[in-house]
Amino acid sequence: DGGITQSPKYLFRKEGQNVTLSCEQNLNHDAMYWYRQDPGQGLRLIYYSQIVNDFQKGDIAEGYSVSREKKESFPLTVTSAQKNPTAFYLCASSPRQGDTEAFFGQGTRLTVV
Amino acid sequence: KNQVEQSPQSLIILEGKNCTLQCNYTVSPFSNLRWYKQDTGRGPVSLTIMTFSENTKSNGRYTATLDADTKQSSLHITASQLSDSASYICVVSAFQAGTALIFGKGTTLSVSS
Repeated sequence: DGGITQSPKYLFRKEGQNVTLSCEQNLNHDAMYWYRQDPGQGLRLIYYSQIVNDFQKGDIAEGYSVSREKKESFPLTVTSAQKNPTAFYLCASSPRQGDTEAFFGQGTRLTVV
Repeated sequence: KNQVEQSPQSLIILEGKNCTLQCNYTVSPFSNLRWYKQDTGRGPVSLTIMTFSENTKSNGRYTATLDADTKQSSLHITASQLSDSASYICVVSAFQAGTALIFGKGTTLSVSS
């Protein structure tokens, strides 16, 4: 089945640690996105990528890093520089950048302990 | 500034009743608009897409409308069911370079028996 897979579903991080969230898609989509969702807030864009080996900062990129070495994969690293990392993280892909037909993963809930 | 505003922020209705969710946008130039349903702790799933030339589109008990002149869209849910309890997110796409998906903050709908 085609789809977009995020892992893990739940992640706990100690303060000062970097953690990497996985996002894989087998939909052959060019564009991939990372969003952060906080209670009562809309989705906020962290990073997006339109093509392999290229990515752009979104609205809240500070404290995060990404890579796009393969079309299928767009991992997100939450670094120790992110002061408030506890949130629900959603990865999405779309056939091309700007297409609203974004397919979302099931999300990763990150908690700092 | 491109923005998407949704109202109400939250809504509680009795099972079997109808409801209407609103989405106002200032995105320009407009490409299309999608309504997503997001169950708690899950990724959003697309319900319907509205393009510039479409006024009304139905998907089962969900009916979306679009008034491109006033830049307003609505999502009407008929004969609500308990499974309709979710967050409903309006997403607008703009014809522009860079990030082109603008998310509303969503309306949280609770259907009670």
